Amino acid sequence: QVQVIQSGAEVEKPGASVKVSCRASGYTFSADYRQWDYYIHWIRQAPGQGLEYMGWINPKNGDTKYTQNFQGRVTMTRDTSTSTAYMDLGRLTSDDTAVYYCARMGHVSGTYSQIWGQGMLLTVSS
Amino acid sequence: IVMTQTPLSLSVTPGQPASISCKSSQSLLHTNTKTYLYWYLQRPGQPPHLLIYEVSNRSSGVPDRFSGSGSGTDFTLKISRVEAEDVGTFYCMQALEFPYSFGQGTKLGIK
Repeated sequence: QVQVIQSGAEVEKPGASVKVSCRASGYTFSADYRQWDYYIHWIRQAPGQGLEYMGWINPKNGDTKYTQNFQGRVTMTRDTSTSTAYMDLGRLTSDDTAVYYCARMGHVSGTYSQIWGQGMLLTVSS
Repeated sequence: IVMTQTPLSLSVTPGQPASISCKSSQSLLHTNTKTYLYWYLQRPGQPPHLLIYEVSNRSSGVPDRFSGSGSGTDFTLKISRVEAEDVGTFYCMQALEFPYSFGQGTKLGIK
């Protein structure tokens, strides 16, 4: 079954950091051709709010691109040996309380599809 | 790119049609002739689920009562006959330019 599996909920204190994992299962984590179809994207959703795009990582070479709002505070990495992408967010505040999603968006075997993780709830509270 | 959805909420009788508008602050047409506009349904407690990609292409397994149309900056998602399982929030998203951006969401309820 093609899926991305995220780590479980976490509670962190203000000022701390959190590392969220996203493991790909049932498909090739990276590819030489049309690498953008395999990017892992990160999106978050504060309680009762809409969707906010954070950035992407290319699993093939580790290239990243971050939304300006998160520059300097977010780091996206990957481990190709375990087909896992990570999103590290530092200097947490209560505004970072949200569900964090990873997603692959692109063409696989000629068909466009998106695979979203189940989401990871981060609560920032003292 | 700013994405603006209307209405922000609607209540529909089962079996009746529904329509949601999404407008972008600039054209979503790429030089490769594709238009990078997507529609999602997020049911309560679940991640967003892709309904439509590139304006009008239904994702695998999506019922044909969902259809997308539009061009340039104006797009529409139509549900020909609303069903109870359609309850949730619909989002449009542009993927033409980084950062990708979403509309505010349209919450669909059942009368």
